[in-house]
Amino acid sequence: EAGVTQSPRYAVLQEGQAVSFWCDPISGHDTLYWYQQPRDQGPQLLVYFRDEAVIDNSQLPSDRFSAVRPKGTNSTLKIQSAKQGDTATYLCASSFWGARAETLYFGSGTRLTVL
Amino acid sequence: SQWGEENLQALSIQEGEDVTMNCSYKTYTTVVHWYRQDSGRGPALIILIRSNEREKRSGRLRATLDTSSQSSSLSITAAQCEDTAVYFCATDYGNEKITFGAGTKLTIKP
Repeated sequence: EAGVTQSPRYAVLQEGQAVSFWCDPISGHDTLYWYQQPRDQGPQLLVYFRDEAVIDNSQLPSDRFSAVRPKGTNSTLKIQSAKQGDTATYLCASSFWGARAETLYFGSGTRLTVL
Repeated sequence: SQWGEENLQALSIQEGEDVTMNCSYKTYTTVVHWYRQDSGRGPALIILIRSNEREKRSGRLRATLDTSSQSSSLSITAAQCEDTAVYFCATDYGNEKITFGAGTKLTIKP
């Protein structure tokens, strides 16, 4: 079974530039999460989806961040105008809540550096 | 203790020793997850304990959950170099939002 796939693996940009992160979850997983993990901190939830619907995006900085999952499979997280404070690893995770499995399966993440 | 901390804690022990990591959470929960994160990788679930279990074992791992004190612990017996990683506790507080602690960076020295 293929795991959660994320791309790109690394991204380096200047403040004000835009960047997109892509996530392919495990097949059949209905729930998809995006986490931000600053260096030496735990993952912090940004947004999560059930199928194509956003369930909770309360921690997503809405003025610059957006996330979509149009067909309930792959997802894209976009930062419109990056700031140095956005420097972190962005992790995607998926799970199947239909069986209350409660296990999150993470990708390896995208390490973002904003100069 | 992980919760409420902004930055991860660090522990360093010799190979063969036992180690315990603690986690205190803010409100009542019925399940605590323990995840392990290797360098350059995403976290991976290593043990999940529910409130009706109080203690759960998996190989050299042992997790406890005390709902009265709102705390959980993860112990590793006879630590090996390959146990070097960052360990996180996490919980969903009864909903689907999995919230992680700050983590403990464990280093096992040969």
